[in-house]
Amino acid sequence: SQTIHQWPATLVQPVGSPLSLECTVEGTSNPNLYWYRQAAGRGLQLLFYSVGIGQISSEVPQNLSASRPQDRQFILSSKKLLLSDSGFYLCAYNRDNSPLHFGNGTRLTVT
Amino acid sequence: GDSVTQMEGPVTLSEEAFLTINCTYTATGYPSLFWYVQYPGEGLQLLLKATKADDKGSNKGFEATYRKETTSFHLEKGSVQVSDSAVYFCALSGHELGNEKLTFGTGTRLTIIP
Repeated sequence: SQTIHQWPATLVQPVGSPLSLECTVEGTSNPNLYWYRQAAGRGLQLLFYSVGIGQISSEVPQNLSASRPQDRQFILSSKKLLLSDSGFYLCAYNRDNSPLHFGNGTRLTVT
Repeated sequence: GDSVTQMEGPVTLSEEAFLTINCTYTATGYPSLFWYVQYPGEGLQLLLKATKADDKGSNKGFEATYRKETTSFHLEKGSVQVSDSAVYFCALSGHELGNEKLTFGTGTRLTIIP
């Protein structure tokens, strides 16, 4: 069966520190991968999506970057976190036009 | 661009009450429409969807009908339970080259009181 893993579940980081959130998918190949952010009081915002290894599209210019080093691995990074980076980060995947499957999310608090 | 507007929460209801969460959208073309649910401490799960006008999506007692004339996709349930307490997101998809970029509403927090 297909599953998606996302870690860590919660993270508290100081301003200016680096960030690395990881997402892996099992049970499927060549998925489309997505990073969403849910900020307090706001809806979900698409940050990045990828249709293949090394192919990253950015939806919103910001302090974050994404990479896809392997077919089923999607990493969200930052060199220096800002307070405004706090939020709930969700990884998701799908194949073709099927509905998205989401991970359980990472709650990031930047202090 | 595409956008989704859903009713502001939080919404608090007693068990067995009737639920409606309004959702309207703006989009070019003919998007697919979705309701996702987020239970406490978890990621989002697809609740139901509709891919064309007049389609009705249903799951777990929830229903929503794709109304193109009113650009709406309101979520309804006849008798809510405590276990329905969650955040509900309306979303639309802009199909693009084989991937699915969802545009979400801000979410509506629902609390059901026993």
